[in-house]
Amino acid sequence: NAGVTQTPKFRVLKTGQSMTLLCAQDMNHEYMYWYRQDPGMGLRLIHYSVGEGTTAKGEVPDGYNVSRLKKQNFLLGLESAAPSQTSVYFCASSEQGARPEAFFGQGTRLTVV
Amino acid sequence: EDQVTQSPEALRLQEGESSSLNCSYTVSGLRGLFWYRQDPGKGPEFLFTLYSAGEEKEKERLKATLTKKESFLHITAPKPEDSATYLCAARKGNTPLVFGKGTRLSVIA
Repeated sequence: NAGVTQTPKFRVLKTGQSMTLLCAQDMNHEYMYWYRQDPGMGLRLIHYSVGEGTTAKGEVPDGYNVSRLKKQNFLLGLESAAPSQTSVYFCASSEQGARPEAFFGQGTRLTVV
Repeated sequence: EDQVTQSPEALRLQEGESSSLNCSYTVSGLRGLFWYRQDPGKGPEFLFTLYSAGEEKEKERLKATLTKKESFLHITAPKPEDSATYLCAARKGNTPLVFGKGTRLSVIA
């Protein structure tokens, strides 16, 4: 049972390049989330989804887009990367009901130069 | 505005020296207070969920408690392998978790 898997684990981008981070979960969870983690800032929510075909903005959505075409996948896109988007990105998923705790992937370390 | 504040930012303990980490929250209609452990280079790992004031949960050397305004993570006789960053998060309804900035714990042998 893999849980939450993020691809890739590391990436270096040049300013202005685009990329997509993939998150896949095999727990049949309804909810999925993208967070970024920066030193001294903690985990901040970028976007989230409460079900297939739905997305919503979090605390820091600017410069990112997301899609949830399949229940098990949640994609995070950067259309034109900026150095301020250098961070560690975490995907998480959770059930809708009795067990609301979120389970996290191992993270993607992104550097924009 | 919903907020979660953790203290201290960093804590250094000798092996066997018990202590507590604090998480204070200002979340109206709390529907769960969560504790996670995060090791360097890894994603947060779920530890506990607390739902109501007075509730306690234990796992090995860790015990989490909850009051109406804060939660404590008590660490009894810690070992070096307990060294990690401990994250607290709060949830209101079905909204996503709001995280504190974490407490970085170092346990020295």
